[in-house]
Amino acid sequence: AQSVTQLDSQVPVFEEAPVELRCNYSSSVSVYLFWYVQYPNQGLQLLLKYLSGSTLVKGINGFEAEFNKSQTSFHLRKPSVHISDTAEYFCAVRHNFGNEKLTFGTGTRLTIIP
Amino acid sequence: DADVTQTPRNRITKTGKRIMLECSQTKGHDRMYWYRQDPGLGLQLIYYSFDVKDINKGEISDGYSVSRQAQAKFSLSLESAIPNQTALYFCATSDPSPGGGTGELFFGEGSRLTVL
Repeated sequence: AQSVTQLDSQVPVFEEAPVELRCNYSSSVSVYLFWYVQYPNQGLQLLLKYLSGSTLVKGINGFEAEFNKSQTSFHLRKPSVHISDTAEYFCAVRHNFGNEKLTFGTGTRLTIIP
Repeated sequence: DADVTQTPRNRITKTGKRIMLECSQTKGHDRMYWYRQDPGLGLQLIYYSFDVKDINKGEISDGYSVSRQAQAKFSLSLESAIPNQTALYFCATSDPSPGGGTGELFFGEGSRLTVL
């Protein structure tokens, strides 16, 4: 079975500053990795995903994430945040075979300070 | 129109009442899911269905039941609601994997349920 750890439950960041949201996973087999974003009063939507190939993945709204197999991490980064990035961010993992379901982390609430 | 539609969006009910949350999708996906979201706990899987005749329990199925009426419809029922079932509920769909998809989930906007 796989698991996901998001150590930071809340991250406050000043507007236009960089941000990194941390995600570590545990799995004995190869995985697919995802970041989802949930804006206030909305459902979750996919921000980016890692399936294979390049370890640096670019997503929507200027976000990117880097897959690090040796450190079992998939941290999310943005070089300059905006007020509109205020949301909750969820990391998720699944095995890359079979009918495995997504396992979600507990989420990180990103608050942008004007 | 949204690809994944949940009704109702908000519901307040009393302990012991039967509640049904409905989900319909226009994405043409065979796979549908019900998740529960609680603050600080992330998303927990309640039930999932890989096709009309396939229903499976998730991590927290006790106190819940589901019905897959058609490929496009998947309902979640609370037979006798209790206060600790107060939460935000999400329906989601996915494309199949392996064989063409990655298992990426597409979510509805959520149904907020309050049990008094």
